[in-house]
Amino acid sequence: GAVVSQHPSWVICKSGTSVKIECRSLDFQATTMFWYRQFPKQSLMLMATSNEGSKATYEQGVEKDKFLINHASLTLSTLTVTSAHPEDSSFYICSARAAAGGGRDTQYFGPGTRLTVL
Amino acid sequence: GDSVTQMEGPVTLSEEAFLTINCTYTATGYPSLFWYVQYPGEGLQLLLKATKADDKGSNKGFEATYRKETTSFHLEKGSVQVSDSAVYFCALSYGNKLVFGAGTILRVKS
Repeated sequence: GAVVSQHPSWVICKSGTSVKIECRSLDFQATTMFWYRQFPKQSLMLMATSNEGSKATYEQGVEKDKFLINHASLTLSTLTVTSAHPEDSSFYICSARAAAGGGRDTQYFGPGTRLTVL
Repeated sequence: GDSVTQMEGPVTLSEEAFLTINCTYTATGYPSLFWYVQYPGEGLQLLLKATKADDKGSNKGFEATYRKETTSFHLEKGSVQVSDSAVYFCALSYGNKLVFGAGTILRVKS
């Protein structure tokens, strides 16, 4: 149980275009989802926390107009990188926390999405 | 603020060697502690966790004990395999967020 999927697993786009990444909890409901960014050989950096039905909370230094987050349902959150530029190239990872039950303090991670902006 | 410090890698071991990856934390209150593993080309997977002092988390031969007195959560395995080669992240959860350590690369040679 506790499977989180991401789509796409990798994407290449041209500079100036927008890219949408989906994060789904497949077998549980997630009131809270998190979006991370991971640079090569580095740890995960939390970008934002999204709660179902409300606006996302962004970490300091993360541009909310560039990284649009929508948490439309208890099983789906999306991250849209708007007007992407090469410096946005990275590995984006989402995680989800269960709405109820003993696993509420545990985040389950998606497999990540590799974004390359040309 | 809350933080996690892991030993720097990479750690290179021969198959069947004993593994220890040190992890210490700084936190107000009593966080839950986690070890996550990231295999090459994959996302993070929860390896084990402990939610209170003296709890021992274990999974796949790995174990770690929540030591409040030393604020530590060291990861151990008695006999590593080549398939254990990965990046290991120690993390704490306090409130809504996970705070990760920098990660430790483990390489196991046959």
